[in-house]
Amino acid sequence: SQTIHQWPATLVQPVGSPLSLECTVEGTSNPNLYWYRQAAGRGLQLLFYSVGIGQISSEVPQNLSASRPQDRQFILSSKKLLLSDSGFYLCAWGRPYGYTFGSGTRLTVV
Amino acid sequence: GDSVTQMEGPVTLSEEAFLTINCTYTATGYPSLFWYVQYPGEGLQLLLKATKADDKGSNKGFEATYRKETTSFHLEKGSVQVSDSAVYFCALSAGGYNKLIFGAGTRLAVHP
Repeated sequence: SQTIHQWPATLVQPVGSPLSLECTVEGTSNPNLYWYRQAAGRGLQLLFYSVGIGQISSEVPQNLSASRPQDRQFILSSKKLLLSDSGFYLCAWGRPYGYTFGSGTRLTVV
Repeated sequence: GDSVTQMEGPVTLSEEAFLTINCTYTATGYPSLFWYVQYPGEGLQLLLKATKADDKGSNKGFEATYRKETTSFHLEKGSVQVSDSAVYFCALSAGGYNKLIFGAGTRLAVHP
């Protein structure tokens, strides 16, 4: 079956600590993958997208980076978290009829 | 650039009331249009879509019609239920790589 997995579900990290969020897709090959962030009470902001291994496009300058080490794996990282990095992070898989979203990671930076 | 504008929430309705959530867009070319729903603590789910002018997307009693002349894609439901309480996002897909551009979201609260 075709599914998308995202973890962890929740994360509380101190300012200045590193971050790694992982997203994997099953049941397909060469998917288009996306990272979005939803700040509290706000809409979704596209952070990164990838159309293949090692191919990353950044939509906004920020404290985050993304990598795609394998065809069905998409990772969101930071070397040093800021308070402003708090939010709900969503991974998405672009399919012909629309996106399929992961269940999200709620990140709180304290 | 391309953008989506939604009516601000929250929208508060009684059960069985009629729902309209307005959505307008700005885009070059001919985008596909979507409505997504986000239930509390969850990711987003595709509710409905339309890919060309005058198309009507529908699902679970919700409908939206792609109006090119007014650049709109308003979401409607004839009789809402408490279980419809969620945040609704309008979105468009245009250009390469299927990038979706979202509106700010509209929170709907339905009371018994």
